[in-house]
Amino acid sequence: DAKTTQPPSMDCAEGRAANLPCNHSTISGNEYVYWYRQIHSQGPQYIIHGLKNNETNEMASLIITEDRKSSTLILPHATLRDTAVYYCIVRGINAGGTSYGKLTFGQGTILTVHP
Amino acid sequence: DAGVIQSPRHEVTEMGQEVTLRCKPISGHDYLFWYRQTMMRGLELLIYFNNNVPIDDSGMPEDRFSAKMPNASFSTLKIQPSEPRDSAVYFCASRLQGTGNTIYFGEGSWLTVV
Repeated sequence: DAKTTQPPSMDCAEGRAANLPCNHSTISGNEYVYWYRQIHSQGPQYIIHGLKNNETNEMASLIITEDRKSSTLILPHATLRDTAVYYCIVRGINAGGTSYGKLTFGQGTILTVHP
Repeated sequence: DAGVIQSPRHEVTEMGQEVTLRCKPISGHDYLFWYRQTMMRGLELLIYFNNNVPIDDSGMPEDRFSAKMPNASFSTLKIQPSEPRDSAVYFCASRLQGTGNTIYFGEGSWLTVV
């Protein structure tokens, strides 16, 4: 799996957009970018994933650069409840269209949203 | 639909005792994962099952740890004998094949071995 690099921590003001970067310069063509977050004392929660096109859902947007070597998770209007550790994970999909079983979490970015 | 259900949520036990953690995956999911989280090592995958069969147990730390999945709706992670260094949060997670890596985690079992 491609290695990811994230800043250890970031701050964001409530109501503003939170932009969390992730570098994955060794990503290969069949690897997706996944984002999870973990709020204190809870299990990790899936946010979004993408291959090369930008993606948006009710939680966030994912912007992937054209060369796919980096991506940014955007929380458009951060709230205090978005304070969490955010994990960027790169994982491949096998030829059959189903993913390999293992998902490896790094250290992530601690996002603190303040009033 | 209920999410992944784990029990117990919290357990404090004495060194040397047997610990059994339980997990009920989301109904219909065919993959089940056991993770462990500590401050020092972060989130580590211990073992995962596909259709009740263990696929990769390379993350299981040692023989004191064992995991079973007797049917599609139940799994256990057992530590015997437990040691203080086993103190951690143990997460169970499940996934449905064909849905990529969208894995659903339980709330975790907080284990303290004294």
